[in-house]
Amino acid sequence: QSVLTQPPSASATPGQTVTISCSATTFDIGNGWVHWYQHLSGRAPKLLIYRDHNRPSGVPERFSGSKSDTSASLAISGLQAEDEAIYYCAVWDDTLFGAVVFGGGTKVTV
Amino acid sequence: QVQLVQSGADVREPGASVKISCRPSGYTFTDSFIQWMRQAPGQGLEWMGWINPDAGGTKYAEKFKGRVTMTRDTSIKTVFLELSGLTSGDTAVYYCARGMPFMAEFDLWGQGTLVTVSS
Repeated sequence: QSVLTQPPSASATPGQTVTISCSATTFDIGNGWVHWYQHLSGRAPKLLIYRDHNRPSGVPERFSGSKSDTSASLAISGLQAEDEAIYYCAVWDDTLFGAVVFGGGTKVTV
Repeated sequence: QVQLVQSGADVREPGASVKISCRPSGYTFTDSFIQWMRQAPGQGLEWMGWINPDAGGTKYAEKFKGRVTMTRDTSIKTVFLELSGLTSGDTAVYYCARGMPFMAEFDLWGQGTLVTVSS
């Protein structure tokens, strides 16, 4: 099973920037798109960043995504209390059987 | 309003099966694949597979093959997830989401359905 590795937690004070990494252990993350989801407690997950760095309509500009050959990152600038959530990266892994793979999630505390 | 509406919470005994529904609205039912994920208590998101509401084709995650069945009923514009041989490890919130095959991009999610497996 492919694995996407994220730090389990991250924290910052309001107004600061927090950055979450997402790295792959068994495949080249640079070969495909990385997507990010925000999961607020008690709510359905929400697409936050798609195809490495694109924001869906309605997602504030302070959320940004980037990717290198070996890892992807989500940055949240101007952190707000409402950003407290779990953030997941996700990719399509076409090695072996093919599957959607989610990272383990990063709990962001403001 | 574009949305996915799922069926309500369910409690099942070990060994039983559960069938969850997901009804898209606000867009053409056959235009987009529906994929299923779940989140067990204290765990992350886990992908289960997809169904093409148009042709009915499916792809299941290896972990669930033999236990999962995804179907659709075009007359009522609804897709279904059925999971058999339930154990306590299947206790989770199950989500349907709209997303194309061979991609991990899900732009619309259902509200989630809590399935509790308990005797």
